[in-house]
Amino acid sequence: DTAVSQTPKYLVTQMGNDKSIKCEQNLGHDTMYWYKQDSKKFLKIMFSYNNKELIINETVPNRFSPKSPDKAHLNLHINSLELGDSAVYFCASSQGGANYGYTFGSGTRLTVV
Amino acid sequence: AQSVAQPEDQVNVAEGNPLTVKCTYSVSGNPYLFWYVQYPNRGLQFLLKYITGDNLVKGSYGFEAEFNKSQTSFHLKKPSALVSDSALYFCAVRDPGRGYQKVTFGTGTKLQVIP
Repeated sequence: DTAVSQTPKYLVTQMGNDKSIKCEQNLGHDTMYWYKQDSKKFLKIMFSYNNKELIINETVPNRFSPKSPDKAHLNLHINSLELGDSAVYFCASSQGGANYGYTFGSGTRLTVV
Repeated sequence: AQSVAQPEDQVNVAEGNPLTVKCTYSVSGNPYLFWYVQYPNRGLQFLLKYITGDNLVKGSYGFEAEFNKSQTSFHLKKPSALVSDSALYFCAVRDPGRGYQKVTFGTGTKLQVIP
């Protein structure tokens, strides 16, 4: 029943490792996003895909790579994890038009040790 | 570039009193404005939006927001606060004329409703 689901919910890993976060939405939305929320709760967009096409690619390290196999899925792969990558990562989806709000997943809390 | 400001990090209000969470925005054209709420350890939930039309918009859980073009504000309001309203509130703006897919969020305001 979950509209936007992310896995895993928690991820603890060592510096230098490579990890992936998966996101799936069952709302039939055209657009999906990745946001990073830092320790001060500030939300920053990272990427957005519309129908599998990358449309927003903010200034993030190229260690972060999104992948959208179909419009219902948007995964985030992170190479060579650093301490500063520790944050909560949120996936979201929306209809394609500008007047639609987002539906967010419950987040993945990434801790790099 | 579009931006949104939430001038208060925290707002405290007694249960039963009216509450206001402030938001101001900056866009080049007509804005699309949104409010979201985040409960602890949860994702953001959509509360309400202003696209066009009536300046007072109503949303979920009894919340409403007033769009004021001259003051470039979109304050969130509720006539009578509940303890369960305690959460983090985010204002967001989208400029439909430029890069419309991108929503910019404010820094969030923590609402504390005191019993």
